[in-house]
Amino acid sequence: GNSVTQMEGPVTLSEEAFLTINCTYTATGYPSLFWYVQYPGEGLQLLLKATKADDKGSNKGFEATYRKETTSFHLEKGSVQVSDSAVYFCALEPTGANSKLTFGKGITLSVRP
Amino acid sequence: NAGVMQNPRHLVRRRGQEARLRCSPMKGHSHVYWYRQLPEEGLKFMVYLQKENIIDESGMPKERFSAEFPKEGPSILRIQQVVRGDSAAYFCASSPIPVSGNTIYFGEGSWLTVV
Repeated sequence: GNSVTQMEGPVTLSEEAFLTINCTYTATGYPSLFWYVQYPGEGLQLLLKATKADDKGSNKGFEATYRKETTSFHLEKGSVQVSDSAVYFCALEPTGANSKLTFGKGITLSVRP
Repeated sequence: NAGVMQNPRHLVRRRGQEARLRCSPMKGHSHVYWYRQLPEEGLKFMVYLQKENIIDESGMPKERFSAEFPKEGPSILRIQQVVRGDSAAYFCASSPIPVSGNTIYFGEGSWLTVV
């Protein structure tokens, strides 16, 4: 079946540090891949997405590249801010599943000043 | 353009009571999805509905849970005879025509606490 595996958390970084959050997936075909962010007490917001192999999604300084060969979609940011503190979810949409997403467990990022 | 609206934001129910969660999709969206987020877990798909139709309910528990999306009004997720294990955040999402890779838009969630 389809699954998404995220690295164990939580992650605590100092402001301006480099961020990598690992995400690997299992799926048949060519899924679409997403990163969602959830700020405290709020719903999920789409951060970025990629719909085919080698695509790079980017938004707000965050980037992730769809790597078919390693079945990965790692999230990176060169310099994190305190305001980036949130829970980050990696998700996939299987081919033809029409918006039915499979999510990872999420990872909590805390950025200290 | 208003986003996906969910209410109530927080709901407390005693064991055995019924919980009703409402979701109004974004304007122009006719496809609604419900997800559940248990503590320390990611979101799990529950059900996908169009107006007056349940398209995919493969993630719905077999008993006590039901969902509808009537021709008029919001989508409703109904949980009968709630138990402590139903305590979770319930998120609704909507989309226009569902096409692979399309963005779906989530509401802010309804947090159900069963005491």
